[in-house]
Formats: sequence, C-alpha cells, structure tokens
Amino acid sequence: GAGVSQTPSNKVTEKGKYVELRCDPISGHTALYWYRQSLGQGPEFLIYFQGTGAADDSGLPNDRFFAVRPEGSVSTLKIQRTERGDSAVYLCASSLDSSSTDTQYFGPGTRLTVL
Amino acid sequence: GNSVTQMEGPVTLSEEAFLTINCTYTATGYPSLFWYVQYPGEGLQLLLKATKADDKGSNKGFEATYRKETTSFHLEKGSVQVSDSAVYFCGETSYDKVIFGPGTSLSVIP
Repeated sequence: GAGVSQTPSNKVTEKGKYVELRCDPISGHTALYWYRQSLGQGPEFLIYFQGTGAADDSGLPNDRFFAVRPEGSVSTLKIQRTERGDSAVYLCASSLDSSSTDTQYFGPGTRLTVL
Repeated sequence: GNSVTQMEGPVTLSEEAFLTINCTYTATGYPSLFWYVQYPGEGLQLLLKATKADDKGSNKGFEATYRKETTSFHLEKGSVQVSDSAVYFCGETSYDKVIFGPGTSLSVIP
C-alpha cells in the first residue's frame, strides 16, 4: 500500500512569503504528526492531530506556523511571513492511532528554502 | 523537557566490524523506544522498537535492549556491511510525539 506522501518535495520561496506544505497520510491512520529537521539535527516535533483536531501544538515555534486537517486525512502546514530561519526539511508522519507504542511512518519530507 | 542523547559521530567502520551506538533517554515512566534510520537520499524508516523494559528489538541484524535501570537503548550489530551506511536516530515517546536524538552518522568502508 501507499506510504505517507508529501508535496512539494522542494519549495524555494522568498523571505516574507506564505507557503503551504501538504501531507497525505497512510489510509486509515488517525494520528498525523509534523516535524521539522534542520541540517545535521534530529527531527523536532511541531504538532500532532488525532482525527481533525490538533491534540498537541506545543512544538509550533510561533504564531506564523499553523496546520489544519479538516477532514481527518490530508493535512496542510502553513507558514506565514517566512524567514530564513524557517529553512529546513518538514516531515510528516502518521500512525494507526496515538498510542505511544504505535509506530510512526514518515514521509519523504518537503525541503523548504527561504531566500 | 525530555531528551535523548546519542553518541556523536561520524562513526567510520570497516566492513564486518562490530557496531555499537549508545543512546540514553530521560523520560520517566515507561516510554516506548525506537531506532530510526535514514539512508542517503531517503526518508526516515523505523529500524526497530521496544515498548517495555527488558524488551529486545531486532531487525536486519541490528539489536537494542530496553534497559530501564540505565535508561539506555544502545544499538548493536555484530557485522556491519557497506549498505548499513546511514544516519541512525534514537527516539523515545511517552505520550504522543517522538523525541529524537541528534543522529549518528555511520560510514562503513569495504
């Protein structure tokens, strides 16, 4: 079956612009996660959805970052007024549910470059 | 907050050498523990996991044992191959999110 997919694979934008990053989770997975991975670092948690609602958004760095999952499947991470420090690989993961024992399956990521 | 510490890389080994990558965690209670691997140009893949104390996770010749007394989950492989060259991430999860270590880059030379 299909894994987690993310689009676009690469996004180059200018400082101050708005971007949207899309994640399509594995069919039937109720939990969806966004992480950010800077060069040479491990992924850092941003936000997690259980169904349509954001169950934990404690990792969002500031109010320029927002994410939605309106129908409990596809999710979009939105970044307003991008800054050069936002450049990173944005990873999406999904799991069957949100149990701590469940495996999170990761997508290939979107590489965001802010010029 | 919780954190995961891994031995720093890069690690360079000859083929068939023994591998250990140390990992310690700080979460209290009974987190699940993971090793993920990122091959060059590819996404994160789960390598193995353990969900309770004394469990041993294993996959592709890699093993790691959940040691609650030392809060550790060290990754081992008896004989590495060139194809094992990758970045390895240790992680813990106690509620929802995975907290990752910084990663250890492994290069295996023929």
